[in-house]
Amino acid sequence: TQLLEQSPQFLSIQEGENLTVYCNSSSVFSSLQWYRQEPGEGPVLLVTVVTGGEVKKLKRLTFQFGDARKDSSLHITAAQPGDTGLYLCAGQFSGTYKYIFGTGTRLKVLA
Amino acid sequence: ETGVTQTPRHLVMGMTNKKSLKCEQHLGHNAMYWYKQSAKKPLELMFVYNFKEQTENNSVPSRFSPECPNSSHLFLHLHTLQPEDSALYLCASSQGQGTLDTGELFFGEGSRLTVL
Repeated sequence: TQLLEQSPQFLSIQEGENLTVYCNSSSVFSSLQWYRQEPGEGPVLLVTVVTGGEVKKLKRLTFQFGDARKDSSLHITAAQPGDTGLYLCAGQFSGTYKYIFGTGTRLKVLA
Repeated sequence: ETGVTQTPRHLVMGMTNKKSLKCEQHLGHNAMYWYKQSAKKPLELMFVYNFKEQTENNSVPSRFSPECPNSSHLFLHLHTLQPEDSALYLCASSQGQGTLDTGELFFGEGSRLTVL
């Protein structure tokens, strides 16, 4: 079974704190995406990482793809209530149009 | 309209009913997907169509029947469903195989299905 495990599953923090979400698999991916999903909506793409070791920044969010392209992390600096949502990682297998999603991390940032 | 549009947004049906979910994308993409999102489970890939051809059927029960008449439209026909099929059904699109696919999925807002 191809699995993408995310940790933690749930996270409740105060505004201004930092946090890191992890996405791990035993499979190698050609690319990995991070999405955020808010209640009543579909997931929205935040970033795509393609190269092993790649680091991308999106304002207060920093994404890293593992050297072996099997894992990734999302770090949020100085979290804000607007960051609240379900964060999903998704891996794409080389040569296919198959995207496997992680188990999700539900983040709540308290004001 | 822009993006990926799904209708209906909410659907309640009995186990003997037949209904359909519709998805339309206005992005000029060539690949379309159905995903199932249940509580406490990861998004489950159900079907993939690339240039109207089905390229993935992830062992989905036959009571779910997809249809892709063209690259812009995708349907999911439902019949004799079970209560455990209640979930959010998400449609997505991407640029598609044979193109400069960036590997990005664009999702609709989903159709919330309740089977009584």
